[in-house]
Amino acid sequence: GESVGLHLPTLSVQEGDNSIINCAYSNSASDYFIWYKQESGKGPQFIIDIRSNMDKRQGQRVTVLLNKTVKHLSLQIAATQPGDSAVYFCAENIPGNQFYFGTGTSLTVIP
Amino acid sequence: DAGVIQSPRHEVTEMGQEVTLRCKPISGHNSLFWYRQTMMRGLELLIYFNNNVPIDDSGMPEDRFSAKMPNASFSTLKIQPSEPRDSAVYFCASRDSNTDTQYFGPGTRLTVL
Repeated sequence: GESVGLHLPTLSVQEGDNSIINCAYSNSASDYFIWYKQESGKGPQFIIDIRSNMDKRQGQRVTVLLNKTVKHLSLQIAATQPGDSAVYFCAENIPGNQFYFGTGTSLTVIP
Repeated sequence: DAGVIQSPRHEVTEMGQEVTLRCKPISGHNSLFWYRQTMMRGLELLIYFNNNVPIDDSGMPEDRFSAKMPNASFSTLKIQPSEPRDSAVYFCASRDSNTDTQYFGPGTRLTVL
């Protein structure tokens, strides 16, 4: 029979362009959020985090934006490079509980 | 720091055999998590420990799965007996209590024939 797996959203960008990856989270009580990057054959790697008392946080080439009103999180990658090709997960932390991970977005950078 | 260490990195076994996966968390982290990742379900939390005590094992699929954390620097996830549907990548993660950030190990790719 036909196998059915998760249908990951995909994003393809040209090298040098900016990338925006979006995530909708589920619980309005979530107070902490993380973006992870997972390359093929490797474990998820921490990229950047943000607490619910902030709406923006910047790292090196990456920016996370948090909109609590609509429970939306985004990851912006500036000047995307081939090494940025990976699956990106957002995770939310509910106080007193553990993290919940999204299904991920697959980013492909076209040289 | 070496990060979270998992062993073995790859395991191929036959249905019915016992499988033991091992994890060494980052020193000083007091929480440890076991996850399973498959194409069908993505990343699923199986169980997590705080200070070596299991807190939530609701994600453990069934009685064939068990996890232990005998001390702060070691944890095992055991599957007995293993079945083909257990084939997946199993990740261990530890959490820095100061920041709540989870750091993942490289994973163990399990194949049950």
